[in-house]
Amino acid sequence: RKEVEQDPGPFNVPEGATVAFNCTYSNSASQSFFWYRQDCRKEPKLLMSVYSSGNEDGRFTAQLNRASQYISLLIRDSKLSDSATYLCVVNSYNNNDMRFGAGTRLTVKP
Amino acid sequence: DGGITQSPKYLFRKEGQNVTLSCEQNLNHDAMYWYRQDPGQGLRLIYYSQIVNDFQKGDIAEGYSVSREKKESFPLTVTSAQKNPTAFYLCASSSQTNTGELFFGEGSRLTVL
Repeated sequence: RKEVEQDPGPFNVPEGATVAFNCTYSNSASQSFFWYRQDCRKEPKLLMSVYSSGNEDGRFTAQLNRASQYISLLIRDSKLSDSATYLCVVNSYNNNDMRFGAGTRLTVKP
Repeated sequence: DGGITQSPKYLFRKEGQNVTLSCEQNLNHDAMYWYRQDPGQGLRLIYYSQIVNDFQKGDIAEGYSVSREKKESFPLTVTSAQKNPTAFYLCASSSQTNTGELFFGEGSRLTVL
């Protein structure tokens, strides 16, 4: 079983749609959780950290469920520019322990 | 502007040849990392360094070597011992070792012919 699992998609949605991604992790000792965004053939960039109480940044909302060991990312009012691959990242303590999911690909269409 | 620079962006190599990928950062970060990305898989850690003159193996270090003689530089050598070297290689750095925020270079795409 992979340490971090994501639905690879692709998710094809129209502009303005709401889309949600889930990610499950296997290490119950995991401490920190993140969503990174990666555009095609580019490097990943931090989108947002995921806090226990859940957090929101504009149209993006991240949730953590420690009991079920999953995190989620909700994107409201999708824009064309949201098209990318979204990587779920889980960290035990040090950055060298970071575990990346394979990514969920999103395409937002006009 | 501060950032991480990787070179070359694209590289072709014949089987049996060693190749060195460059990674330079001017962010004054102590920690640097090398990852490999293959289609359908998450990034996998090859080597990391938390301080100059020190580095540690990651999950898939076999067939790779690194050095950290300067804070700014963390080159990766892909040796002929690496069985499947064709991949997208990403270098990253972080200011602290436990924040979770990594800053990545634009990557080097290596193809072995």
